[in-house]
Amino acid sequence: GAGVSQSPSNKVTEKGKDVELRCDPISGHTALYWYRQSLGQGLEFLIYFQGNSAPDKSGLPSDRFSAERTGGSVSTLTIQRTQQEDSAVYLCASSLSSVFYNEQFFGPGTRLTVL
Amino acid sequence: RKEVEQDPGPFNVPEGATVAFNCTYSNSASQSFFWYRQDCRKEPKLLMSVYSSGNEDGRFTAQLNRASQYISLLIRDSKLSDSATYLCVVKPDSNSGYALNFGKGTSLLVTP
Repeated sequence: GAGVSQSPSNKVTEKGKDVELRCDPISGHTALYWYRQSLGQGLEFLIYFQGNSAPDKSGLPSDRFSAERTGGSVSTLTIQRTQQEDSAVYLCASSLSSVFYNEQFFGPGTRLTVL
Repeated sequence: RKEVEQDPGPFNVPEGATVAFNCTYSNSASQSFFWYRQDCRKEPKLLMSVYSSGNEDGRFTAQLNRASQYISLLIRDSKLSDSATYLCVVKPDSNSGYALNFGKGTSLLVTP
């Protein structure tokens, strides 16, 4: 079956512009997670959704970052006024639920480059 | 202090060798432990969960020492296809629930 998909696969933008990253989780997965991986760094948790709600937004690095999920499916991560330090691979993952651990399946990521 | 720490390597080993990776974690209340594998410019994929009693999956053996807050992964009879970055992953205690804490990964290169 289809895995987690993300778009775009690559995004190059100029400093100060806004970007929107999209994630399509595996059908039926209620939990959705955003992480980012900077060069030479481990994955950094950003935000998680259970259904449409995000109980904990404390992982978002600044108020320029926001995320939403509609219809319990697709999620978008928006970065406003991008900075060069936002350059990273943004990974989305989904799992059946978050109440008990279920394996998180990752999408291929969006590689964001801020010039 | 980073919550999950790993030796970044790289570990360069010949085919057929046995190689071991170690990982330490700082949160003693951590609940669940995993090894993920990440190929170059690809997404992480679950390799195996790590259970308290230790567990084996083919050539891969994972061990957990809760007292020392230490996790290990042993790969026997290394194959060229084992070349990848191995990520030690810890799920915090149930109160913070859902997010996984990833180590930076240990790079393995298996050579002919």
